[in-house]
Amino acid sequence: NAGVTQTPKFQVLKTGQSMTLQCAQDMNHEYMSWYRQDPGMGLRLIHYSVGAGITDQGEVPNGYNVSRSTTEDFPLRLLSAAPSQTSVYFCASSYSVGGNSPLHFGNGTRLTVT
Amino acid sequence: KQEVTQIPAALSVPEGENLVLNCSFTDSAIYNLQWFRQDPGKGLTSLLLIQSSQREQTSGRLNASLDKSSGRSTLYIAASQPGDSATYLCAVDGGGFKTIFGAGTRLFVKA
Repeated sequence: NAGVTQTPKFQVLKTGQSMTLQCAQDMNHEYMSWYRQDPGMGLRLIHYSVGAGITDQGEVPNGYNVSRSTTEDFPLRLLSAAPSQTSVYFCASSYSVGGNSPLHFGNGTRLTVT
Repeated sequence: KQEVTQIPAALSVPEGENLVLNCSFTDSAIYNLQWFRQDPGKGLTSLLLIQSSQREQTSGRLNASLDKSSGRSTLYIAASQPGDSATYLCAVDGGGFKTIFGAGTRLFVKA
């Protein structure tokens, strides 16, 4: 049981480059989300999805795109990387929201933009 | 706007001590509150989830309480061990498919 898998673990980008952070879960969870974690600021929600074909913005969506073509996968795209996007990115999933379903997290992607 | 605060930001205790971590939130209209553990360089692991209709949850040496009316939750760790050293985060689900996190309390248990 792999749970939530994120790739890559580490990435260094130059300003202006684009890339996709991958996230996959094998628990048949409908809800998936992306967070970024910065020192002293906790986790902030970037985008989330409540099912295949349905996505919406979180607290800090600017500079990021998402899509959800399957239940399992929820990639996060950085269109034109900026130093302000240097952070640790976490993907999370749960069976449902607002009830008794805990969030399951991947191990994160540490991104540095120079 | 929901805000979640955790105090203290860091805590150091000797092994064997019982301790309490605090979490406060500004909007009492929540569906649930979760406590997570995060080890360095790792993701978050869910420890306990308390639904809005519940007052507490227990798992082993951990006990989490919830007081919605005062906007507070506590995580009680009994007989702390060096292996409990980690960052502990609380998170509130207030609806709208958005879970809001506190910045965490970094715990160090000295052997």
